[in-house]
Amino acid sequence: GDSVTQMEGPVTLSEEAFLTINCTYTATGYPSLFWYVQYPGEGLQLLLKATKADDKGSNKGFEATYRKETTSFHLEKGSVQVSDSAVYFCALGRADKLIFGTGTRLQVFP
Amino acid sequence: DAGVIQSPRHEVTEMGQEVTLRCKPISGHDYLFWYRQTMMRGLELLIYFNNNVPIDDSGMPEDRFSAKMPNASFSTLKIQPSEPRDSAVYFCASRGDRPGYTFGSGTRLTVV
Repeated sequence: GDSVTQMEGPVTLSEEAFLTINCTYTATGYPSLFWYVQYPGEGLQLLLKATKADDKGSNKGFEATYRKETTSFHLEKGSVQVSDSAVYFCALGRADKLIFGTGTRLQVFP
Repeated sequence: DAGVIQSPRHEVTEMGQEVTLRCKPISGHDYLFWYRQTMMRGLELLIYFNNNVPIDDSGMPEDRFSAKMPNASFSTLKIQPSEPRDSAVYFCASRGDRPGYTFGSGTRLTVV
């Protein structure tokens, strides 16, 4: 069945470092792909999305490219800030449902 | 729009008591989802509705859990009787025509 695999955290970085959080998926056809972010004590917020192969989603300095050949949707940011500390979820959209990965905690220190 | 509204934000109850969680989706969204989040299991989809009709409840853990959507602007998730292992954060989310969900802020349930 469809599934999403994320790198385990926590990911610990210094401010202004480069961020990559890996996400790969298993699915038939052409699902939509998403990154959600969850700040402490809050619900999940949509960060970015891509609906077809080679699309690049971007928002707030974060980017991810839908790579069908490698079934990946890795999240990147060139220079992280302390305020980016949160849990990041990769998700796959199939029919009516979203299938989430287990989440990756990012901790950014000054 | 005020977004997806959940109440209460926090609930502490004793084992055996009935608990009711509430959700108001975004107006015009025709899908509503209930998720449970725990450290051990991550995000679990419990049930979802389309146009107020339950479509898939295969994630509901057992008969103690029930969910209703009497109209397009309101849904409830009920646990009766509650148990300590039900302690979690419960999220409601809604979706319209565009891909992706909008989540509420969640209800943190503690059963003692």
